[in-house]
This record gives sequence, structure tokens and C-alpha cells, in this order.
Amino acid sequence: DIQMTQSPSSLSASVGDRVTITCQASQDISNYLNWYQQKPGKAPKLLIYDASNLETGVPSRFSGSGSGTDFTFTISSLQPEDIATYYCQQYDNLFTFGGGTKVEIK
Amino acid sequence: EVQLVESGGGLVQPGGSLRLSCAASGFTVSSNYMSWVRQAPGKGLEWVSVIYSGGSTYYADSVKGRFTISRDNSKNTLYLQMNSLRAEDTAVYYCARDSGPVGARSGGFDYWGQGTLVTVSS
Repeated sequence: DIQMTQSPSSLSASVGDRVTITCQASQDISNYLNWYQQKPGKAPKLLIYDASNLETGVPSRFSGSGSGTDFTFTISSLQPEDIATYYCQQYDNLFTFGGGTKVEIK
Repeated sequence: EVQLVESGGGLVQPGGSLRLSCAASGFTVSSNYMSWVRQAPGKGLEWVSVIYSGGSTYYADSVKGRFTISRDNSKNTLYLQMNSLRAEDTAVYYCARDSGPVGARSGGFDYWGQGTLVTVSS
């Protein structure tokens, strides 16, 4: 089974800050990685697919990069509406989610 | 408009069974990969099961042998039959559509239902 390790588990940043979340796979997964945003009480929302492709309608301040085992998700300028938990998901071999990163406003 | 509406959750005793339904509209369930994902209270997301457009099914190790995913094409509905339920199965269960084209590994889960809560307790 492929394990996905996300870090940090939580972070606090100011509005306008650049926020970076990392996700590490236990083995090479090429670019088979997605990123989701989940707000409290809501279903997750797909933001990034294939490691770096922005889903239609998602603001351009969100971006993703990486391949192999190491991936990065970035919010270029944190906005109040970005408060949520973010998850990576591999799909090289079935599906596995990372543990999540809770983003809060400082 | 694509919509997924889950139902069937509730309180069940350990060892019991429950069948979740996910009624789809705006697309054809049999034309997409469809998954169930769960989230225990206060915890992260856990993928549970997938049914591919060709009918192949796969499960997380934690539910293999106890849960069965299926679909009814005539009703455009996805199901999850859950048997031998345990306390650790307590979670909100989401159905999700995979946007990936047939033959691709995945395109990401682009549509999700609102979730249905399953509580396993005596």
C-alpha cells in the first residue's frame, strides 16, 4: 500500500501570506496526485489534479508541483475564505489520502 | 447539473448491516469510476471502495470482505453494502464521482455527495 505523509498537520498564517504544504509518497507515484480543500461540515472540493493542473473555476492563487515522491501545494496569497483542511490523494495504486493540513488565519 | 445524494445512514449495532445509496443525476453512473470515501468524526478522509466503469471493484484493506460496492444502472444509483460493522466504521460516508476518462487511472473526484452518517454503537 502507498502511504501519503502530509506536513504540517496544521498551520497559522496571515492574510496575504504564502502558504506551502508538502506531501510525500512512500514510493514513486509519478504525477498521480490530487489536492482537495474541505471546509467544516462540507464535502471535499477538488482543487488540483495530476499534481499541477488547476481544476476549472479554482482561483489561480492555488498551485501544485512535484513528481515522483515529493509534492507541494501552495496558496500564493492566503485569503480568509481559504480557511479549510487540505488533503493530498495519490491514485497510482487505488487511492490514498494524506492526513490533512488544517489552515487557520493568524 | 451533476448531483449525488446519499441516503441509508443511521445507528446500527456492532455486527449489524447497513446499505448506503447514492442517487446520481446529471450523468450516468456506469460511465464513470465511482468511489466511496469516509471520514470518522474529527478525522481525515479515508478512501473505502471504487467501482470502475467496466464493473471491476476494489476495496481498502480495512473493509475488504465486509463491504460490497455495486450499482444499479437502471436507477443510476451507487450502493455500499456494509456487513459485520464495527465501532471503527463510524463515519460520514461520501460517494464521489471520478472525472477521469475510461482507461485513465483517475481525473480526481470532481463531484461529491453531502455525506451520510453511519454510527456503529450498542
